[in-house]
Amino acid sequence: SQQGEEDPQALSIQEGENATMNCSYKTSINNLQWYRQNSGRGLVHLILIRSNEREKHSGRLRVTLDTSKKSSSLLITASRAADTASYFCAPGYSSASKIIFGSGTRLSIRP
Amino acid sequence: DTAVSQTPKYLVTQMGNDKSIKCEQNLGHDTMYWYKQDSKKFLKIMFSYNNKELIINETVPNRFSPKSPDKAHLNLHINSLELGDSAVYFCASSYSGTGGTEAFFGQGTRLTVV
Repeated sequence: SQQGEEDPQALSIQEGENATMNCSYKTSINNLQWYRQNSGRGLVHLILIRSNEREKHSGRLRVTLDTSKKSSSLLITASRAADTASYFCAPGYSSASKIIFGSGTRLSIRP
Repeated sequence: DTAVSQTPKYLVTQMGNDKSIKCEQNLGHDTMYWYKQDSKKFLKIMFSYNNKELIINETVPNRFSPKSPDKAHLNLHINSLELGDSAVYFCASSYSGTGGTEAFFGQGTRLTVV
């Protein structure tokens, strides 16, 4: 299977805490992307990390990639209510015409 | 300007009908996709087109027929609608550059078959 598997399936944390979600995949990749989906909306691209990169930052987001373990993690620091959403990873392969998603992690931020 | 736009946003129709969903992107991308998201929120790729050519057809019933008149448009036509077709359908586009690029999604079309 070429899709990523997100873990955990659901995560509930207090506002201000950090949220970590993980993605595992099975075959070699060129890159890995993370997306966010707010309820009832389309997916929004968050960050892309290439296979030769180990870590990447974007604002409060930090993504790591471990190609030896075929896994990636997304860390959201100082969470806010607006971070409540589902988060999906999408491993990228040599064929760029295929972006496949797992079932996602549903993140809930408690006030 | 909306980057990827789908119409209609909502579609309620009876079983057995034929319906179409339209998608247009103004980003100059060469690849477009259709995804189906069911009630459990699993997002499944249905089709991928690159430069108007079908690249991916992921075990979708042949009642679903994508049509790409040009690189900026990818429409989805569904024949003989069934209850199980009820879902949210998302169109997306990206550029198939080396190393991969981000995909932009439309707002979705919520299809309800009654």
